[in-house]
Amino acid sequence: GDSVTQMEGPVTLSEEAFLTINCTYTATGYPSLFWYVQYPGEGLQLLLKATKADDKGSNKGFEATYRKETTSFHLEKGSVQVSDSAVYFCALTLSGGYNKLIFGAGTRLAVHP
Amino acid sequence: AAGVIQSPRHLIKEKRETATLKCYPIPRHDTVYWYQQGPGQDPQFLISFYEKMQSDKGSIPDRFSAQQFSDYHSELNMSSLELGDSALYFCASSIIQGGGRYTFGSGTRLTVV
Repeated sequence: GDSVTQMEGPVTLSEEAFLTINCTYTATGYPSLFWYVQYPGEGLQLLLKATKADDKGSNKGFEATYRKETTSFHLEKGSVQVSDSAVYFCALTLSGGYNKLIFGAGTRLAVHP
Repeated sequence: AAGVIQSPRHLIKEKRETATLKCYPIPRHDTVYWYQQGPGQDPQFLISFYEKMQSDKGSIPDRFSAQQFSDYHSELNMSSLELGDSALYFCASSIIQGGGRYTFGSGTRLTVV
């Protein structure tokens, strides 16, 4: 079935370090790919998305490129801040149908000063 | 801008009691989704509605039911509550042809004691 696999956390970094959170997917058809962020006690917020192969989503210094050949959508940021500490979820939806989101397990990021 | 409104924010119930969670989608959004997120878990899709009709069903227990009303708000009804039902319940809304623009509510945290 359709699924998303994320690297396990927690990921602990110092401020200004480079961040990569790996995400790979399995899907029939051509999915749209998303990264959502969840801050403590809050709901899910869309961070970025890409709808077709080679698209790059970007927002707030975060980037991810839709790689069809490797079925991946890795999240990167060049210089993390303490305020980036949160849980990050990779997700997909399939084109057609009623487009429910399928989430990965989430990766907790902790950034220390 | 209007967001997805969920109520209540917090709910404490005893085992075997019933609970009703409400979701008010963004105006003109035609699709509502319910997700359950257990402690430290990824959100699991429960059920969705498109134009007031059930459109998809995920891992929703038989003890749960949901519906979408004429004003497009949705309610998740949970009966015979079990300790394992303690979770954060999210509602999201979207436009079915909106290219994957989902907006999540802040969630209802249900604690079953």
